[in-house]
Amino acid sequence: QQPVQSPQAVILREGEDAVINCSSSKALYSVHWYRQKHGEAPVFLMILLKGGEQKGHEKISASFNEKKQQSSLYLTASQLSYSGTYFCGTAPQGGSEKLVFGKGTKLTVNP
Amino acid sequence: DGGITQSPKYLFRKEGQNVTLSCEQNLNHDAMYWYRQDPGQGLRLIYYSQIVNDFQKGDIAEGYSVSREKKESFPLTVTSAQKNPTAFYLCASSVAGTGAAGANVLTFGAGSRLTVL
Repeated sequence: QQPVQSPQAVILREGEDAVINCSSSKALYSVHWYRQKHGEAPVFLMILLKGGEQKGHEKISASFNEKKQQSSLYLTASQLSYSGTYFCGTAPQGGSEKLVFGKGTKLTVNP
Repeated sequence: DGGITQSPKYLFRKEGQNVTLSCEQNLNHDAMYWYRQDPGQGLRLIYYSQIVNDFQKGDIAEGYSVSREKKESFPLTVTSAQKNPTAFYLCASSVAGTGAAGANVLTFGAGSRLTVL
């Protein structure tokens, strides 16, 4: 079952903050976050494996609420280089199945 | 540098023709994957392989075929049975294919864009 991402798109000015959400109808083992720039390959940002875990990557961090089967990606003080489409990928409990990706959130950061 | 090489980058095909997309990795990864990307649809899994000479269907395998004769290679054939093959195809690999697959980080190739004329 494909996770649901929201919002579908967001436009920011440089320096503003954004939150991207990822929800699943299944109990999750892990959540992955990837960023893809136009015409390029998706690039791994971070993986969250435990309930309530929070991780960071530069000024990008994420949380994983295992109970709610949700993850959120936080982008603070956005930079022009943050523009791209963000995908969450989820693996259900059991840990042995492949990732299922959401439809993506297109983030545009303007000067 | 280690990575994944996909070729060709752009491919045009006439209806009714089979085409094969190449994917080679030198990361010594066990698992390899093929995803299809359409605008607004995210990444959908076509096939994946956890070890040599073994592969499993993903969510949209119909009209596609794969082989895994070598650890570093996982070619995808788009057959004439695939009704709507125009898409961006991404190959990926990860360290381990069994056990806690949900913890395996994917490394992607640059993709192949297929257009059916």
